[in-house]
Amino acid sequence: DGGITQSPKYLFRKEGQNVTLSCEQNLNHDAMYWYRQDPGQGLRLIYYSQIVNDFQKGDIAEGYSVSREKKESFPLTVTSAQKNPTAFYLCASIRSGGPTDTQYFGPGTRLTVL
Amino acid sequence: AQSVTQLDSHVSVSEGTPVLLRCNYSSSYSPSLFWYVQHPNKGLQLLLKYTSAATLVKGINGFEAEFKKSETSFHLTKPSAHMSDAAEYFCVVMPSSTGFQKLVFGTGTRLLVSP
Repeated sequence: DGGITQSPKYLFRKEGQNVTLSCEQNLNHDAMYWYRQDPGQGLRLIYYSQIVNDFQKGDIAEGYSVSREKKESFPLTVTSAQKNPTAFYLCASIRSGGPTDTQYFGPGTRLTVL
Repeated sequence: AQSVTQLDSHVSVSEGTPVLLRCNYSSSYSPSLFWYVQHPNKGLQLLLKYTSAATLVKGINGFEAEFKKSETSFHLTKPSAHMSDAAEYFCVVMPSSTGFQKLVFGTGTRLLVSP
């Protein structure tokens, strides 16, 4: 079955540590996105990538980094510079990013800083 | 700037009664509009989308939404609620002016369904 997988489902991090969240898609989609979700808020865009080896900052990129070395993979690193990283992180992908396309979402990773 | 306002943070209905989740948008351009549903600790699933075709859009699971440009609204409705509809619902706008698909999310409406 085609889809988006995110791992791990739950992640615990000590303060000062970097952690990397995995996102893989087998939909052959060109564009991929990372969102952050906090309680009572909508999703906010962290980074997006429209093509391999290219990515752009979203609205809340500070303290995060990404890479896009392969079309199917878009890992997100939460660095120690992110002041409040505890949140639910969602990865999404889309075929080409045009206005009528649909974004498909992964099941999410819940990150908790201890 | 584009924005979305979901007018209710929580909506409670009884099973079998109608559902109305309200959404107003602000956009300088003719937008695309979406409704997504999220069950607890899950990703988002597309319910329906409006992309300047028919103003009444039918989605999955019996949901539908009507685009009203004069009211800048895109309310989500369902004639009869089911227990499985209990979830969080997000109204989303995508301005057509951007060169890529950047979604702007509302803050969500939690739908509670009682027996």
